[in-house]
Amino acid sequence: EIVLTQSPGTLSLSPGERATLSCRTSQSVSSSYLAWYQQKPGQAPRLLIYGASSRATGFPDRFSGSGSGTDFTLTISRLEPEDFAVYYCQQYNNSPQTFGQGTKVEIK
Amino acid sequence: QVQLQESGPGLVKPSQTLSLTCTVSGGSFSSGSYCWSWIRQPAGKGLEWIGRIYSSGSTNYNPSLKSRVTISVVTSKTQFSLKLSSVTAADTAVYYCARGPPVRGTTGTPFDYWGQGTLVTVSS
Repeated sequence: EIVLTQSPGTLSLSPGERATLSCRTSQSVSSSYLAWYQQKPGQAPRLLIYGASSRATGFPDRFSGSGSGTDFTLTISRLEPEDFAVYYCQQYNNSPQTFGQGTKVEIK
Repeated sequence: QVQLQESGPGLVKPSQTLSLTCTVSGGSFSSGSYCWSWIRQPAGKGLEWIGRIYSSGSTNYNPSLKSRVTISVVTSKTQFSLKLSSVTAADTAVYYCARGPPVRGTTGTPFDYWGQGTLVTVSS
């Protein structure tokens, strides 16, 4: 199976700052079959990005995804208070579909 | 608006079978294009895809759990179920059901709608 490694484990930032989250895959992910999710405490994950760079409904354009092959990035251009959460990447190129271990974006 | 809701016992004894049902509303369950998955998350940990089913009854399972998992459609209802046999404490987790939209070029999917999740604890 494809292993996803997210870094850093925790990102401590202030509102208004830029957040850059990394997701590396153990094998190349074809056609950018990679998604990002946002999860807040006590809630289900919420689809944020699919196809590596397409934003899901309801998320503002301060969220952007990029990358290809084995290296993918989620960028939050200016953190708002509601953006502090855990973010997971997921590959759906190969079965079984697998997730990264998550990056927590916390308030500094 | 698609909605999913998990239901089932919150406590299961070791070696027994965990059984959960996901009820889907919003009209897309019978569409053969979508798949319907179970995903779990132990407390404070990441997400693990368990398996999926199409409304036709076709299934795929995570090899790590395949020997213990059965996912099936509940006949005549917009529901699908999960059975996980021979459970241990390691199966304690929040269990989610989720919808996977079709994606051209791959059999995999992202998950665009999720249930709220249900905590299942394995303990005697």
